[in-house]
Amino acid sequence: QKEVEQNSGPLSVPEGAIASLNCTYSDRGSQSFFWYRQYSGKSPELIMFIYSNGDKEDGRFTAQLNKASQYVSLLIRDSQPSDSATYLCAVLSGGSYIPTFGRGTSLIVHP
Amino acid sequence: EPEVTQTPSHQVTQMGQEVILRCVPISNHLYFYWYRQILGQKVEFLVSFYNNEISEKSEIFDDQFSVERPDGSNFTLKIRSTKLEDSAMYFCASVHRDTGELFFGEGSRLTVL
Repeated sequence: QKEVEQNSGPLSVPEGAIASLNCTYSDRGSQSFFWYRQYSGKSPELIMFIYSNGDKEDGRFTAQLNKASQYVSLLIRDSQPSDSATYLCAVLSGGSYIPTFGRGTSLIVHP
Repeated sequence: EPEVTQTPSHQVTQMGQEVILRCVPISNHLYFYWYRQILGQKVEFLVSFYNNEISEKSEIFDDQFSVERPDGSNFTLKIRSTKLEDSAMYFCASVHRDTGELFFGEGSRLTVL
């Protein structure tokens, strides 16, 4: 059973702060990692994907991957109220085309 | 930009009725999926479809569910005899062949009364 674990939150941060969202996964064969943002009542939309150990930056977002620790995180710098949403971690195992999703972490950015 | 489209956006049905949810995936994508999200819960995989047949299905996808691609573009999910617990948002998605990124449709909200 492939598990993807996220703290459900809510994580509350003030506007302008760094929000740190974490995800762990059970399958050591996992090769691709995705962060999706989901606003209430809407579909998930991709923010970032990462394949290699280390950091990947895209604007205010940084994904961090540590395969040895089976851990992937998402940092959001200069958080804005519009970043308030649920952030879903999804993991794709090698040879599979079926991402497994975590439960998501609710982020609240307050002014 | 190409997108996945789903209809209807919301359907209300009586328990025991049949429901068909429709999706038009992105045309050059190869794998298509149905996911389900019960209110407040995680996005759950139902079924994947490749080369006009089911490639994988979850334990949720029991005999009351079926998928078809009747005309080469539409991709449908049929629920034969709906139950109260089928109430959820159903997302269709297709995958980018190179990146593995899932592109989701806007979802179809199913309410079973």
